[in-house]
Amino acid sequence: GNSVTQMEGPVTLSEEAFLTINCTYTATGYPSLFWYVQYPGEGLQLLLKATKADDKGSNKGFEATYRKETTSFHLEKGSVQVSDSAVYFCALGGNTDKLIFGTGTRLQVFP
Amino acid sequence: GAGVSQSPRYKVAKRGQDVALRCDPISGHVSLFWYQQALGQGPEFLTYFQNEAQLDKSGLPSDRFFAERPEGSVSTLKIQRTQQEDSAVYLCASSAIQGAISTDTQYFGPGTRLTVL
Repeated sequence: GNSVTQMEGPVTLSEEAFLTINCTYTATGYPSLFWYVQYPGEGLQLLLKATKADDKGSNKGFEATYRKETTSFHLEKGSVQVSDSAVYFCALGGNTDKLIFGTGTRLQVFP
Repeated sequence: GAGVSQSPRYKVAKRGQDVALRCDPISGHVSLFWYQQALGQGPEFLTYFQNEAQLDKSGLPSDRFFAERPEGSVSTLKIQRTQQEDSAVYLCASSAIQGAISTDTQYFGPGTRLTVL
């Protein structure tokens, strides 16, 4: 069945460092891919998405490219801020109704 | 405009009690989803409604879990005879488009944290 695997955290970075959070998936067909973010005390928010191969989703300085050949959707940001500290979830949406989430990666950014 | 709201935000139940969790989706959203998020894990799908029709309940873990959306707007997730393993955050999400569901954005509420003692 469909599944998502993302790197375990926590990821600890200094402010202005480069961020990569790896996400790979297993799916039949042509899923859409999402990154959601959960800030402390808040609900899940969509960060970015890509609906087909080679699409790049971007928002708030974050980017992720849908790579069909490597079944990956890695999240990147060139310069993280303390305010980016949160839990990040990679998710897959196939031809069914549900989203399938990874286990989440906690990012901690220190000044 | 208003997002997805859920109530209560926190619920403590004694084992064996029944609980009811409420979700108010974004006005006009056709699709409504319930997810369960255990501590340190990603959300897991429970059930899905399109308007008032429950089209998928494959994720409900047992027959103690029941969800309804009688008028196609507000939804209630009910858990009967709660067990300790039911302790989790229950998330509700809604989306606008009823076709290709999973390519559309799901907007999540803040969740209800259920603790069963």
